[in-house]
Amino acid sequence: KAGVTQTPRYLIKTRGQQVTLSCSPISGHRSVSWYQQTPGQGLQFLFEYFSETQRNKGNFPGRFSGRQFSNSRSEMNVSTLELGDSALYLCASSQWTGRELFFGSGTQLSVL
Amino acid sequence: KNEVEQSPQNLTAQEGEFITINCSYSVGISALHWLQQHPGGGIVSLFMLSSGKKKHGRLIATINIQEKHSSLHITASHPRDSAVYICAVKSARQLTFGSGTQLTVLP
Repeated sequence: KAGVTQTPRYLIKTRGQQVTLSCSPISGHRSVSWYQQTPGQGLQFLFEYFSETQRNKGNFPGRFSGRQFSNSRSEMNVSTLELGDSALYLCASSQWTGRELFFGSGTQLSVL
Repeated sequence: KNEVEQSPQNLTAQEGEFITINCSYSVGISALHWLQQHPGGGIVSLFMLSSGKKKHGRLIATINIQEKHSSLHITASHPRDSAVYICAVKSARQLTFGSGTQLTVLP
């Protein structure tokens, strides 16, 4: 069974641009959640989707958004990038909300 | 005060030693996760607990809901156990993470 796939693996953008990251969950998993990891703040929860509906959202500005498609694949978008958005973005999938999490390898975003 | 506190922040052990990492939290939770992160970023879920104790190989995780405390134990530690161990608590709204424990096991 294939694991959680995140693309791209690395991304370099400049301030003011926008970026879209993709996450393909394990087959059969319907919940996808996103996290930001930085050296200063550690891991922080961004949002969680289940059956195409956003279930929860963390304390991030509206520049951070996401969506989930009918095949459970998810995308997150960050608009008007800031230097502080440089981070490792991780997604995780689970069969249902509140179940064991399976993480992807992450997308390393650098904002210059 | 952080909602999730881990201790110690750094831990160096000799191969074969028994290791304990602690996690205390201040919010009501439905579950607690122990995660392992190796250099390069990959995160693996070790345990998800809502009560009691779980064991997997040399790893044991316990949780005391009344005390709002969990421990991760590694028996007969090995250099391949070197990683960052992260505690995360699931509340109604979100998953909140501890700052992690950097474990180094020396041969």
